[in-house]
Amino acid sequence: QKEVEQDPGPLSVPEGAIVSLNCTYSNSAFQYFMWYRQYSRKGPELLMYTYSSGNKEDGRFTAQVDKSSKYISLFIRDSQPSDSATYLCAMSDGYGQNFVFGPGTRLSVLP
Amino acid sequence: DAGVIQSPRHEVTEMGQEVTLRCKPISGHNSLFWYRQTMMRGLELLIYFNNNVPIDDSGMPEDRFSAKMPNASFSTLKIQPSEPRDSAVYFCASSLVTSPQETQYFGPGTRLLVL
Repeated sequence: QKEVEQDPGPLSVPEGAIVSLNCTYSNSAFQYFMWYRQYSRKGPELLMYTYSSGNKEDGRFTAQVDKSSKYISLFIRDSQPSDSATYLCAMSDGYGQNFVFGPGTRLSVLP
Repeated sequence: DAGVIQSPRHEVTEMGQEVTLRCKPISGHNSLFWYRQTMMRGLELLIYFNNNVPIDDSGMPEDRFSAKMPNASFSTLKIQPSEPRDSAVYFCASSLVTSPQETQYFGPGTRLLVL
């Protein structure tokens, strides 16, 4: 079993749809959870960061962490074609310990 | 800030040749990471430096790969000899690990093709 699992997609949705992206993990020591967005032919860029369990909202994006289930989610409301990218979850123990990326989910938002 | 700078952006070489990839981290960051990304294997961590010292090189695939960080503002990843299976996008990332929160900032990548 991989340390972090993520559905690779591709996931295609119509513009305006609500998108749900998810990761599961096995290491209960992870405390810090991140979502990175990677456009084609670019490096990943940090999109959202959360600590421990709970929700965090930033504009159209909401990150959720459920540590009891070892499950994290990223929701995108009113999705736009500009949201088309690969979304990678990442997590760590903190202080640079055991930083792990998921394999990424490719999202296409169709106009 | 200019962000993480990588060079070259593209490299095409022939099997057996030496390849050197370069990275300049964000000023003030104390950790540097080299990743390799392919369609098949996703983003793989190759090596991680903290304060210029290699901390974890368990991801370096073979002895053909080596990485150095002679100072806080420069790192190289060398492949010698290169093989076609080394073709991938190589990313450098840097971070500031002085708080529990650690986010990595990625460079634009070097797209390597070994013929």
